[in-house]
Amino acid sequence: DGGITQSPKYLFRKEGQNVTLSCEQNLNHDAMYWYRQDPGQGLRLIYYSQIVNDFQKGDIAEGYSVSREKKESFPLTVTSAQKNPTAFYLCASSIGHRGETQYFGPGTRLLVL
Amino acid sequence: EDKVVQSPLSLVVHEGDTVTLNCSYEVTNFRSLLWYKQEKKAPTFLFMLTSSGIEKKSGRLSSILDKKELSSILNITATQTGDSAIYLCAVEAYNNNDMRFGAGTRLTVKP
Repeated sequence: DGGITQSPKYLFRKEGQNVTLSCEQNLNHDAMYWYRQDPGQGLRLIYYSQIVNDFQKGDIAEGYSVSREKKESFPLTVTSAQKNPTAFYLCASSIGHRGETQYFGPGTRLLVL
Repeated sequence: EDKVVQSPLSLVVHEGDTVTLNCSYEVTNFRSLLWYKQEKKAPTFLFMLTSSGIEKKSGRLSSILDKKELSSILNITATQTGDSAIYLCAVEAYNNNDMRFGAGTRLTVKP
């Protein structure tokens, strides 16, 4: 089955710790995205990647980092510089980056201990 | 299994037409339903609905939730070419804090 997966479903972070959220897709999509969703707010774009080995900052990139070494994978690292990391993180992918439908993963909820 | 279904998958109308997009869901411990407009990269938030029967309105767009029917509609009146986009519906649940997206409705508004 083709799809987009995220892991883990829940992640706990200690103060000062970096954590990495996984996002994998087997849809052969070129573009991938990371969003953050906070209660009562819409999605906010953290980073996006239009093609392998390339990525751009979104609206709220500070405190986050990404890599795109493989087409299938777009991991997001929440660094210790992100002062308010508690949120629901969603990964998405699309065939291209010009307004095609984005397919969303199931999300990862990050909690700070 | 939780799911969100949008219909139609695509729709082509002419400027000035009124459209109604549908979203139905099967989600345990429903918390809220959100509508987004996706044009280029990031979806733009439109509405969040938590209570049944209360219409939310923003300009030519309006939306209402029917918890009994487990569905929501998004209405766009007097459509313009700038309304052309993919409209996404997402549902949040309390128990596991999941957020499930529908496949989206691609709306094309022709001049």
